[in-house]
Amino acid sequence: DTGVSQDPRHKITKRGQNVTFRCDPISEHNRLYWYRQTLGQGPEFLTYFQNEAQLEKSRLLSDRFSAERPKGSFSTLEIQRTEQGDSAMYLCASSGQGAENQPQHFGDGTRLSIL
Amino acid sequence: GQNIDQPTEMTATEGAIVQINCTYQTSGFNGLFWYQQHAGEAPTFLSYNVLDGLEEKGRFSSFLSRSKGYSYLLLKELQMKDSASYLCAVRSSTLTFGKGTMLLVSP
Repeated sequence: DTGVSQDPRHKITKRGQNVTFRCDPISEHNRLYWYRQTLGQGPEFLTYFQNEAQLEKSRLLSDRFSAERPKGSFSTLEIQRTEQGDSAMYLCASSGQGAENQPQHFGDGTRLSIL
Repeated sequence: GQNIDQPTEMTATEGAIVQINCTYQTSGFNGLFWYQQHAGEAPTFLSYNVLDGLEEKGRFSSFLSRSKGYSYLLLKELQMKDSASYLCAVRSSTLTFGKGTMLLVSP
């Protein structure tokens, strides 16, 4: 079990640029979640996938945000035309299917800084 | 809507016991989780409650009362490494987190 892996760990970019983050879940997990976390707050749910199907995306913060999981394994989160308010930690988590008490396992996150 | 309340900060002494409370009002309830998060690191799973009562796991215990919309996390024999943020999270259709309680353990 290598855990949830996110890349990059840090991203610094200028306002208006597009950014893409990658998440590799725990290999046997079929559910994958994206969250955003700002300082002093808990993680805020954005979207989730079961296999390759995106089952909930209404919480994505705007139409500048999109996520994909084309083969049901790794996922990408893209933010287009970044704004300073997008600066945050973006966390990915995965869980297995089955009993409802399956906890979500988090990656170390990608910290995004918009200049 | 979803509303989860936790104290912002708590302090305690090494070796002591501390109780972190969480109250919630959510539309739907499919369980409550507690996570620990050290600064700059990922949240890590501590405990899960879906039925009323106490779940014990080593130095950590978690309690749930669904009728009161209330949970607490109890940490015993505090160690310096327990200094972290503790997040209460309620699952309905998705997982909603509180803002976290920053616990500082002093010698």
